[in-house]
Amino acid sequence: AQSVAQPEDQVNVAEGNPLTVKCTYSVSGNPYLFWYVQYPNRGLQFLLKYITGDNLVKGSYGFEAEFNKSQTSFHLKKPSALVSDSALYFCAVRDLGGSYIPTFGRGTSLIVHP
Amino acid sequence: DGGITQSPKYLFRKEGQNVTLSCEQNLNHDAMYWYRQDPGQGLRLIYYSQIVNDFQKGDIAEGYSVSREKKESFPLTVTSAQKNPTAFYLCASSQLGDINPEAFFGQGTRLTVV
Repeated sequence: AQSVAQPEDQVNVAEGNPLTVKCTYSVSGNPYLFWYVQYPNRGLQFLLKYITGDNLVKGSYGFEAEFNKSQTSFHLKKPSALVSDSALYFCAVRDLGGSYIPTFGRGTSLIVHP
Repeated sequence: DGGITQSPKYLFRKEGQNVTLSCEQNLNHDAMYWYRQDPGQGLRLIYYSQIVNDFQKGDIAEGYSVSREKKESFPLTVTSAQKNPTAFYLCASSQLGDINPEAFFGQGTRLTVV
């Protein structure tokens, strides 16, 4: 079985400050990990993925994520937040060699204050 | 321009009525999915399919039906048996293999019971 936890329903950060959105996962094998962003009344947009290789993954719009196998985490980060980053963020996991269906977290609402 | 197209964007259903949500993709993806999104509940899997003429129930399939007559198309019917259909519905597709495992989403259909 695979699962994802996003422990924070909401994250608040001031514009220009660094942001972190947390994600932890559980899989029986090796994980594929993903981050998506959703703006109001829109579909999910793919931001970045980890499959293998470097633990720091760079994605769209200046976002990056750090894979930590020992802590089973895949936190989303950005060095300097923008008001336009305010949105709902979803973490997802697939088990390499397992089901092709991704499992999504419940989502974290990011609010960036001017 | 490759992608996933959902239609309509907004849909209103009367009590006791069946309605069909359209989902078309031109990404040549084998796998397609339907998710339901309610506030604070993340994404819940309704149905999925990995090949034409075959599909499987997800976690909340009751009151829904699908078909997969073409690789590109995966329509979802919300039947009168679905007692609480008001929600945001998302269609997605992905490769089955391990090279590009991320899912891509349509823009969603918001269904409201009137």
